Order: sequence, then C-alpha cells, then structure tokens
Amino acid sequence: AQKVTQAQTEISVVEKEDVTLDCVYETRDTTYYLFWYKQPPSGELVFLIRRNSFDEQNEISGRYSWNFQKSTSSFNFTITASQVVDSAVYFCAFSGGYQKVTFGTGTKLQVIP
Amino acid sequence: GAVVSQHPSWVICKSGTSVKIECRSLDFQATTMFWYRQFPKQSLMLMATSNEGSKATYEQGVEKDKFLINHASLTLSTLTVTSAHPEDSSFYICSARGGLNNEQFFGPGTRLTVL
Repeated sequence: AQKVTQAQTEISVVEKEDVTLDCVYETRDTTYYLFWYKQPPSGELVFLIRRNSFDEQNEISGRYSWNFQKSTSSFNFTITASQVVDSAVYFCAFSGGYQKVTFGTGTKLQVIP
Repeated sequence: GAVVSQHPSWVICKSGTSVKIECRSLDFQATTMFWYRQFPKQSLMLMATSNEGSKATYEQGVEKDKFLINHASLTLSTLTVTSAHPEDSSFYICSARGGLNNEQFFGPGTRLTVL
C-alpha cells in the first residue's frame, strides 16, 4: 500500500525567509507520480507540480523548488523568500501509475509579515 | 490546464434531505472521476472511483447507499448525499482523469453544511 507522510503539521516563518516542506513516501511500485498541491483558505486545490518516478531532476519554478530523491523516498518542497500569499496548506500526494491520488496529511504554512 | 467544475460551490440543507453535487470536465473527456471528502483541518480522503458507464468503486468505510455516484457520460459525474445528516457536513472535491497525458485534474470543491 502507498503512504505519504508529511511530518510537519504547521510551520511559521517570517516573510522573506526560506522554508522547506518535507514529504516522504512509501511504495512498492516502480512507476509512480508525486505531486504537490496548495490549498489556500478558499479551499480550492492549486496544482503545483507533478513528477514521475523516472525523473529525479530537481525543478525550480520561480521561488519554488522541488528536491526528489528516490534513495530516501523524499520529495521536498522549498519556497525561497516566502511571502504572505504563500500562507496555505500544502499537500504532498502520490499516485501509482494511473491509479488514485493519495494525499498526505498536509502542512499548514503561515508566513508572518 | 484542463478545467473541472463543480456545482454548487456551496449548499446548506436540512437534515434528512438529499443533495446532489455535479462534477464536469469542461474541455476534455474523463474516463475516470474521483470523489474526495475533506473534513475541517484534515486531508482529502478518497470516497470512490467511477468509470464512465459502470458502477463506482467505493473505499472502505464509505456507504455506497448513502453516497450515490453516477458517471453517466465522459464529462459528468454526480454525487448524491442521501438523507444527509450534520456529520456529512464536509468539503467534497471531485477530480477527473483524462486529456492527452491522462492526468488528474481537481474541481474547486463543494462545501456542504447540513443543519
């Protein structure tokens, strides 16, 4: 069975600080996808990234970056120079092949001005 | 990206009534749709998976007679909460899988409050 663990329940940072959200997954699948979603107070899920298991290259998109390491089964998400608008709940998620998406428990990020 | 809509975005109903929530894929055909439920300050939990034209597959612990799912076409799935009770109050999110890369796209969610 697949499992996604986000050990950090809540994180508070001061604006402009960098912050890393951790995600660890468990699976026996060789082909799978990892995701990060942002859920602001409005509730709507905002897709951030999808990464397949064969692509371990790190990715950078503006202030966001992702570090995928199969050796440690981790897919961590870093926000540099955080802003108040980054305050939200962030979910790491997993999908084995074309199967259902399983979500982690989420990390609530609060960026303090 | 592809768009998935849900209607209504929020609904308040009396205990004992039934509520129907629609999920539509607007610009792609969705062979599979998923329904999730999210209680306050919790994660999204999958309720059921439905494929067009066939019966939905429910996750363990989800009552299929209470949460009726109809996936009648490649662009529409409905979730009906029958005889709703206050404990059914939650945020219901659908997702649809399809498109060129068979990706999964999420709807904006429906907030159900049962009085």
